[in-house]
Amino acid sequence: AQKITQTQPGMFVQEKEAVTLDCTYDTSDPSYGLFWYKQPSSGEMIFLIYQGSYDQQNATEGRYSLNFQKARKSANLVISASQLGDSAMYFCAMRGARAGNNRKLIWGLGTSLAVNP
Amino acid sequence: DTEVTQTPKHLVMGMTNKKSLKCEQHMGHRAMYWYKQKAKKPPELMFVYSYEKLSINESVPSRFSPECPNSSLLNLHLHALQPEDSALYLCASSQQGPNYGYTFGSGTRLTVV
Repeated sequence: AQKITQTQPGMFVQEKEAVTLDCTYDTSDPSYGLFWYKQPSSGEMIFLIYQGSYDQQNATEGRYSLNFQKARKSANLVISASQLGDSAMYFCAMRGARAGNNRKLIWGLGTSLAVNP
Repeated sequence: DTEVTQTPKHLVMGMTNKKSLKCEQHMGHRAMYWYKQKAKKPPELMFVYSYEKLSINESVPSRFSPECPNSSLLNLHLHALQPEDSALYLCASSQQGPNYGYTFGSGTRLTVV
């Protein structure tokens, strides 16, 4: 069975500092994708960053980077230079390659991030 | 066009009403999804359409009825809902395969009174 675990229900960070949001996963699929989404209080689910299971390098997108440690099955999101607008729920998700798994995103419970001025 | 458009953004309906949620995408994605989300929880998958055919129904009550008229449109018909059905309803689309995430609409906040 596939599973995503986010162990930090809530996090606080000071503006302009970096923060790491934890995500571990479990899957028997040899090929899979890992995703992070941001959901502000407005409700829209915003795609942030993607990491493929065969990617050799960690993904980066602007201030977002993904610390991918395949052997540990972890895919932590690092936000550098936090901004007030980064306050939101953050979800880690995974998609497998096998039939059935291919059609579903498996979600973690999310981490609520608050950026303090 | 890299957007998924959902209408309406807000909806209040009585338990005897019939209403529909609409979702549209023009990215050529052949998979479309309906999710239900309660506050501070991850989205819960309701339905998956693949190539305009219903491929997954996650044991959703029949008061929710999905429809995919064509490859760009996805509807969710609502009838005789309960107050506990009040939630954020998200539509999403994607390409097939593990390398592709979902593109989400901005959601419909539904309140059942």
